[in-house]
Amino acid sequence: GAGVSQSPSNKVTEKGKDVELRCDPISGHTALYWYRQRLGQGLEFLIYFQGNSAPDKSGLPSDRFSAERTGESVSTLTIQRTQQEDSAVYLCASSPYSEETYEQYFGPGTRLTVT
Amino acid sequence: LAKTTQPISMDSYEGQEVNITCSHNNIATNDYITWYQQFPSQGPRFIIQGYKTKVTNEVASLFIPADRKSSTLSLPRVSLSDTAVYYCLVGSGAGSYQLTFGKGTKLSVIP
Repeated sequence: GAGVSQSPSNKVTEKGKDVELRCDPISGHTALYWYRQRLGQGLEFLIYFQGNSAPDKSGLPSDRFSAERTGESVSTLTIQRTQQEDSAVYLCASSPYSEETYEQYFGPGTRLTVT
Repeated sequence: LAKTTQPISMDSYEGQEVNITCSHNNIATNDYITWYQQFPSQGPRFIIQGYKTKVTNEVASLFIPADRKSSTLSLPRVSLSDTAVYYCLVGSGAGSYQLTFGKGTKLSVIP
């Protein structure tokens, strides 16, 4: 079946511009996650959505970052007034709700470059 | 979430068995141990998960001693395509969804 998809795959933007990144989770997955991965580093948790519950935004690095998800469908991550330190790969993952499994399904990521 | 420690890098020749050990001294009673694999320019991919003793699937084995303070991912007869970064994570399922991916272990398989 179809996996998690993300668009665009690459985005180059000028400092100060806003960008919007899109994630299409696997159908039926109630949980959706956003991560950031800087070059050569591990993944940083950004935000988590679970069904219709209020999202956990505790990982968002500043108020320039926001994310939305409608129900259990597509999610968008918005970065306002981009800075060069925002350059990274932004990964989205989804999973079915489970108390016992840690299996998340990741998309290919969006590589953001801020010039 | 329990902190994990694993080697930064490892080298192995093709056809050898590779064992990557992860330390997690502060693992909680209800925590599971999960390993992910990440190829360059791709998102991480789930490999295996376990709670205690030994778990085996078609890709790898996971060995967990009785005290659960460490775990070892075993990759049998590695090939060049196993060159990737391997992450060890510890947590308790959906209630601890903030997966903490460290820098992982960069495995390089040499012909």
